[in-house]
Amino acid sequence: DAGITQSPRYKITETGRQVTLMCHQTWSHSYMFWYRQDLGHGLRLIYYSAAADITDKGEVPDGYVVSRSKTENFPLTLESATRSQTSVYFCASSSGTPNTGELFFGEGSRLTVL
Amino acid sequence: GQQLNQSPQSMFIQEGEDVSMNCTSSSIFNTWLWYKQDPGEGPVLLIALYKAGELTSNGRLTAQFGITRKDSFLNISASIPSDVGIYFCAGLPRGANSKLTFGKGITLSVRP
Repeated sequence: DAGITQSPRYKITETGRQVTLMCHQTWSHSYMFWYRQDLGHGLRLIYYSAAADITDKGEVPDGYVVSRSKTENFPLTLESATRSQTSVYFCASSSGTPNTGELFFGEGSRLTVL
Repeated sequence: GQQLNQSPQSMFIQEGEDVSMNCTSSSIFNTWLWYKQDPGEGPVLLIALYKAGELTSNGRLTAQFGITRKDSFLNISASIPSDVGIYFCAGLPRGANSKLTFGKGITLSVRP
């Protein structure tokens, strides 16, 4: 019963480098989401996906790219990392269609951009 | 965009006390949810509310969906040390492509 897993859990990178955060779920949930958590801002939606090959922007999508070629995977790529992208990133999934708001979160990936 | 207001940012209570949190918005939501985040982990769903006026319990937790659809309340009774964490409210408006909005969270500390 793996559920939803994120990797890496911790990552340090330099400004300008490309970084990919991985997210894998074993439930075959339709919806998957990427959030970032920052002090003073709570959880902000970056991108989400309603199904394989369907993705849409959230509140703070600039500087990020996502893809969803398979239902179970939803990687998040920072094409050219910036210091402002230092954050804790959470992937989540939801089984409802349409979105019920009942999300299952991964444990998070803490990214530091130097 | 839609915003959810949670305040204060932090709360400090004594073990055994009850605590109430509320969440308000200028927008109407179709679903209200409460999540809890333990230190170093992802948020976990505590309670989901789907109907205006609905009152739902989950153990020592009770949550209510405000009649105006613009607010929700969470009560924790007889607090224990493991209640420590960040409590987020979240709202989902009507619509097939609606997006969940989170409040900024309240950090709860429980003194033994």
